[in-house]
Amino acid sequence: DGGITQSPKYLFRKEGQNVTLSCEQNLNHDAMYWYRQDPGQGLRLIYYSQIVNDFQKGDIAEGYSVSREKKESFPLTVTSAQKNPTAFYLCAASRSGGAAETQYFGPGTRLLVL
Amino acid sequence: QKEVEQNSGPLSVPEGAIASLNCTYSDRVSQSFFWYRQYSGKSPELIMSIYSNGDKEDGRFTAQLNKASQYVSLLIRDSQPSDSATYLCAAYTGGFKTIFGAGTRLFVKA
Repeated sequence: DGGITQSPKYLFRKEGQNVTLSCEQNLNHDAMYWYRQDPGQGLRLIYYSQIVNDFQKGDIAEGYSVSREKKESFPLTVTSAQKNPTAFYLCAASRSGGAAETQYFGPGTRLLVL
Repeated sequence: QKEVEQNSGPLSVPEGAIASLNCTYSDRVSQSFFWYRQYSGKSPELIMSIYSNGDKEDGRFTAQLNKASQYVSLLIRDSQPSDSATYLCAAYTGGFKTIFGAGTRLFVKA
């Protein structure tokens, strides 16, 4: 069963805490992405990765970090520097990053601040 | 700043009617356009992609692109209550960047 998995489904963060969101894909896609979705707003790009061991900042990277040590995995860490982390986080993958490439999304992780 | 604009809705149509969703984009170099459907609390799923001017049909869905007017639309024929969702328009602008609109909420009344 091919696809993208994200865990956990819900995540609670305490003040000053770093938390890591998991994203795994078995589509054998090269490119992976992290987006943030806030109510009434479009998806905003946090980070993307074209290939293993390479990643680039998106439009709202401050307060976030990522790694891409394996093709299948692209975890996102929400650091304590991110002052407003409450949002729906979506991981996506595409075969490459070209114009015709569709992005497929995982089920998402909803992050809430305690 | 590159933008994709959509009417937030809600757009309400009776069952069996045609739902028309519209989107405009600001970046003239946008190459590819996508329509995603997102049910409440779920992740977006691709409905249609379109790359050339004109119409593209897939079942009950038709996407229309007019690059000169920087306009993309999605028509849903024979709308069903299960089509009730938020529809996101997206434009690929190059360099691994896809800009998403905030979405239009569609409500199909049974």
